[in-house]
Amino acid sequence: AQSVTQPDIHITVSEGASLELRCNYSYGATPYLFWYVQSPGQGLQLLLKYFSGDTLVQGIKGFEAEFKRSQSSFNLRKPSVHWSDAAEYFCAVGGTGGGNKLTFGTGTQLKVEL
Amino acid sequence: DTGVSQDPRHKITKRGQNVTFRCDPISEHNRLYWYRQTLGQGPEFLTYFQNEAQLEKSRLLSDRFSAERPKGSFSTLEIQRTEQGDSAMYLCASSEQGGAREKLFFGSGTQLSVL
Repeated sequence: AQSVTQPDIHITVSEGASLELRCNYSYGATPYLFWYVQSPGQGLQLLLKYFSGDTLVQGIKGFEAEFKRSQSSFNLRKPSVHWSDAAEYFCAVGGTGGGNKLTFGTGTQLKVEL
Repeated sequence: DTGVSQDPRHKITKRGQNVTFRCDPISEHNRLYWYRQTLGQGPEFLTYFQNEAQLEKSRLLSDRFSAERPKGSFSTLEIQRTEQGDSAMYLCASSEQGGAREKLFFGSGTQLSVL
């Protein structure tokens, strides 16, 4: 069965500092990997997605993620965090044949200090 | 494009009552998904439709849960004889069918509280 682990429940960074959110997945084949962001009262918004090709994926809002098959990881990074990035971030894995039936991690709550 | 719309935003009910939620997807999106999110957890897949056909249901979806999408547009999710464990955010998402490039658009959800 597929699964996702986000080991950090909460992370606090200073505005302008770099950010890395960790994600490890378990999946039997080549996965589709996703990062979503959820702000209070808002729906989930897709930041980026990996399904093939270049293992470094660029997303919206200046985020990027790197797929490392050997480590079963898909960590999210941003070089300089803005106060508006404070939100909850979810990593998810999906199969190649099942549409967007996704398995999500438990999320990482990001706090940005001014 | 008005986005995915869910109604109501909040629902408080007593244990044992039936509740129904509605989801209006982005027009022309032929896939519609229901997810459930409990506090401190990520969303969990419940079911999805392609047009009016319900193609998959999670084992999480007990017999008390039923979802419909009668004309391939809006969808309803009904929970019968609600239990306190049903308290959660129910999320709807839609997409255009499209293989690897399929992209989900989520609504803001319906927060259910069962007293």
